Formats: sequence, structure tokens, C-alpha cells
Amino acid sequence: DGGITQSPKYLFRKEGQNVTLSCEQNLNHDAMYWYRQDPGQGLRLIYYSQIVNDFQKGDIAEGYSVSREKKESFPLTVTSAQKNPTAFYLCASSIRGGLDQPQHFGDGTRLSIL
Amino acid sequence: AQSVTQPDIHITVSEGASLELRCNYSYGATPYLFWYVQSPGQGLQLLLKYFSGDTLVQGIKGFEAEFKRSQSSFNLRKPSVHWSDAAEYFCAVGQSGGSYIPTFGRGTSLIVHP
Repeated sequence: DGGITQSPKYLFRKEGQNVTLSCEQNLNHDAMYWYRQDPGQGLRLIYYSQIVNDFQKGDIAEGYSVSREKKESFPLTVTSAQKNPTAFYLCASSIRGGLDQPQHFGDGTRLSIL
Repeated sequence: AQSVTQPDIHITVSEGASLELRCNYSYGATPYLFWYVQSPGQGLQLLLKYFSGDTLVQGIKGFEAEFKRSQSSFNLRKPSVHWSDAAEYFCAVGQSGGSYIPTFGRGTSLIVHP
């Protein structure tokens, strides 16, 4: 079955460490997204990508970086510059960018600070 | 700028009772409206969407939503709630002609009593 796979499910970061969250999709979707979810704050957009080798900052991109070298992969790196990284991170994809294209979500990665 | 409000942080209903979750949006253009559901520790699943046409939209799992332009609302309803409906529900709104990334509300947590 096609879908979006996020790994790992749980991740712990030490102070000053960069960590990378994986997101892979086999839906042949062009557009991919990263969201951060905090209790009571809904979803906030970190980065998004409409096509390979292109991506744009979302509302809260500071302290994060992404790459889109392959259509099916959109990894997110949480850098040491992100001072409050503890959150639930969700990756999503859609057939293409556009409001008429609903997003499909992975099951998320929960990141905590050691 | 587009915004979306879910006025209720928590809603508690008894199993078998009817349900209505509120969603209000604010901007003037033709809206694209979505409802998503999130079970604990998982990603979001699309329940239904509205772009145009009939203002009463049917979705999966027995849910429906009604678009009321005069009230800037897109409330989610279900005639009889099941215990498995306990989850977090998110309304999302997008504006045609603007960014194609929808804006998510903060979510409403549904608690179902036996």
C-alpha cells in the first residue's frame, strides 16, 4: 500500500546536536511538507517543497533545514539553533501543490530533549 | 491574512449522542475548507473537504459539514457518536489566489463517555 513513512517514531536530542527526521513517500506525489505540532497550537508549517531540488520556508523555519534531492524523500534536520525542539513533527504530501489537493500525512516523529 | 478559529478546545459527548464541532474562518475570497481527524500519536486523516457546489458535504466515518458563507463557518457534524470517534479534530482553510498551503486551526479534542 502507498503511504508516507516517518522514522524514527521517537527521537532524543542532546544539547548542541543536530538530528535528522526521515520522511519517505511512495505515492508519487510532487509536493511535500513538514509541520510542527505543539499541544493546543495546531499545526505550524516549517518547510514545503513543490518539486525536486526546490523548497520554501514556512512560518517557523528558523533552526530547521531540509533537502529534496529525490521526489520520494524530504528529510528535516533540526539544528542546534532550534532552542525549543521538543514537539511532534508531521510530514505530509500531496499530488501537487494546490488547495484542491488534500494532504496525506505520516504518523509523525516525537522529538524530545535529553 | 487568512485565519481559522476552532472555539472549543475540548468537547465531551456521550456515546450515541449527536456532535457538532465549530469552525470559523476569516477572509473574503472563496475558501477551500477541510476537516481532518487525528488519533493519538498518529498523523492526520482527511474527513471531508469543500471547494464549491452543494454546501452540505458528506465525508468518511459518517461525518458531514455545512458551509455557511453568511456566518463564515464550516461546522462538522455527526448524528450519533461512537467511542472510536474520540480524537483531535482540525479544521483547515485555504484561500484561492493566495498561498496554496492551508491554515490549520488549533484543534478540538473530542472526549466520548460510554
